[in-house]
Amino acid sequence: SQQGEEDPQALSIQEGENATMNCSYKTSINNLQWYRQNSGRGLVHLILIRSNEREKHSGRLRVTLDTSKKSSSLLITASRAADTASYFCATDAVPGFQKLVFGTGTRLLVSP
Amino acid sequence: DTGVSQNPRHKITKRGQNVTFRCDPISEHNRLYWYRQTLGQGPEFLTYFQNEAQLEKSRLLSDRFSAERPKGSFSTLEIQRTEQGDSAMYLCASSPKRAGGETQYFGPGTRLLVL
Repeated sequence: SQQGEEDPQALSIQEGENATMNCSYKTSINNLQWYRQNSGRGLVHLILIRSNEREKHSGRLRVTLDTSKKSSSLLITASRAADTASYFCATDAVPGFQKLVFGTGTRLLVSP
Repeated sequence: DTGVSQNPRHKITKRGQNVTFRCDPISEHNRLYWYRQTLGQGPEFLTYFQNEAQLEKSRLLSDRFSAERPKGSFSTLEIQRTEQGDSAMYLCASSPKRAGGETQYFGPGTRLLVL
């Protein structure tokens, strides 16, 4: 079963705009990760944020984590057409175990 | 290319046939995972190996599914008596057992279609 949901399910923006995706989860976590999946391909790890962190940056990516609300957000700034993909959050629902539980994903379309 | 590789990339089979998929993890990674992903959904955990030991199996993994990692290197996932509901993308991932090893590195997946 899925851990939670991403919101929105789909997002369409123009190049240069920012894209924000939200993720909610259900159980306590050790860390939360974001992955990207291009159409029909494997997943690529983007960023990991630990439960004791509130914000993390990596290039054009900014991730926030609110453990009290069991939610996270992924911001992609100055989006590019190459950012078109599905984005998934994943949590280690059993801390220390390593099994990842994924959300349902946000499909991002960035138009030139 | 030193990433995770999976073979075959695509498999079409008839209902009732057996299929086997192979995953070659990143060489220094001792943890290996199988996930299944259906259209429009996120990946769902199937099973996990640490070296050659299978440490957890999801309830999604019925008796028709078996996974092995005989020498702690590559892994195989076999589905016996395939059903149309088995049609999905089967993803393999690996990770190292060390601090910061929470990140899983995914292969390109094997897309299975059961007719």
